[in-house]
Amino acid sequence: TQLLEQSPQFLSIQEGENLTVYCNSSSVFSSLQWYRQEPGEGPVLLVTVVTGGEVKKLKRLTFQFGDARKDSSLHITAAQPGDTGLYLCADSNTNAGKSTFGDGTTLTVKP
Amino acid sequence: DAGITQSPRHKVTETGTPVTLRCHQTENHRYMYWYRQDPGHGLRLIHYSYGVKDTDKGEVSDGYSVSRSKTEDFLLTLESATSSQTSVYFCATGLGNEQFFGPGTRLTVL
Repeated sequence: TQLLEQSPQFLSIQEGENLTVYCNSSSVFSSLQWYRQEPGEGPVLLVTVVTGGEVKKLKRLTFQFGDARKDSSLHITAAQPGDTGLYLCADSNTNAGKSTFGDGTTLTVKP
Repeated sequence: DAGITQSPRHKVTETGTPVTLRCHQTENHRYMYWYRQDPGHGLRLIHYSYGVKDTDKGEVSDGYSVSRSKTEDFLLTLESATSSQTSVYFCATGLGNEQFFGPGTRLTVL
């Protein structure tokens, strides 16, 4: 059974600071997704990465996939209060149509 | 936005009663999923469906059943609710590698 470990579990920072959160897998990812979940809502997909070493940027968010496809990081530049939420990583097995989710990093950005 | 709705959004019920949660999608996605989300446990898969009348168990399926009679509807039934089933329940649909989530149902079992 694949295990996804996310760190840190909680992170509280001031507006304008930079931060990085991590996702590590016990086995090679089939494909990696990052989701953000705001309080009281369902998760929303941010990005999918498939290729080892891949880097994707989404405005102030930079997603990096490890060369061995067993780890990933999400870096946020100049965090804003609107970035507050739970950040989840997931591995999608398209053969079975199922995803395995990490427990997430809860980010709070204070004004 | 995959056009996913869940009903009800909130429900309080008593131990031992049956409960049915409904998920409706308008995107014609083949895959549908039911998760529960609890503090310290993240999202855990209860059941999923890969087509009409085709369903399978997830990692926490005990005490739950599902049905999918139409592409757009996926029902989750708690046969006899227990306090341990107090949780937030999310429905999702799947397209390729990606999943799209509904707004959630907060269920409290007293």
